[in-house]
Amino acid sequence: QKEVEQDPGPLSVPEGAIVSLNCTYSNSAFQYFMWYRQYSRKGPELLMYTYSSGNKEDGRFTAQVDKSSKYISLFIRDSQPSDSATYLCAMRENTGNQFYFGTGTSLTVIP
Amino acid sequence: ETGVTQSPTHLIKTRGQQVTLRCSSQSGHNTVSWYQQALGQGPQFIFQYYREEENGRGNFPPRFSGLQFPNYSSELNVNALELDDSALYLCASSLAGGGARDTQYFGPGTRLTVL
Repeated sequence: QKEVEQDPGPLSVPEGAIVSLNCTYSNSAFQYFMWYRQYSRKGPELLMYTYSSGNKEDGRFTAQVDKSSKYISLFIRDSQPSDSATYLCAMRENTGNQFYFGTGTSLTVIP
Repeated sequence: ETGVTQSPTHLIKTRGQQVTLRCSSQSGHNTVSWYQQALGQGPQFIFQYYREEENGRGNFPPRFSGLQFPNYSSELNVNALELDDSALYLCASSLAGGGARDTQYFGPGTRLTVL
């Protein structure tokens, strides 16, 4: 079993839709949770960062962490064609230095 | 603020050769991590360098080695290249100290093709 599981998609939605992206994990020691956006043939770009459980909102993006279920989510409101990319979840233990990534979900927003 | 830069952008090598990839950290960051990202996969942790010493290593063989320099730039060296080493190699810098400052910021990557 992988440390982090993420549905690779692909996911295709119309412009303006609400997008929900999810990851599950097995290591209860994970405390830091990140979402990265990666455009084709580019490096990942940090979108959201959350510590422990709870919600965090930044513009059209909302990150949720449910540690009891070992489940994290990223919601994108009013999706735009420019949101078309691969979205990677990543997580880390409190004292560890290794980030564990999901495989990424490919998202296409159709104009 | 200068972001993370990597060189070269692309590289083609043949099996058995050696390669060196370079990374310059984001201004103010003292820690560098290297990742291998195969096509369609998430990044896999290779190792991390802090204060010029290896500070953690993933499940990669010893032919993957690295260096960090006093200015916090870093190199990734791969010996005896294999076909499976073909991937995007990502460098990420961060500021060690815990909390949000440990968040990693990635460079654009070096795409290595092994023939």
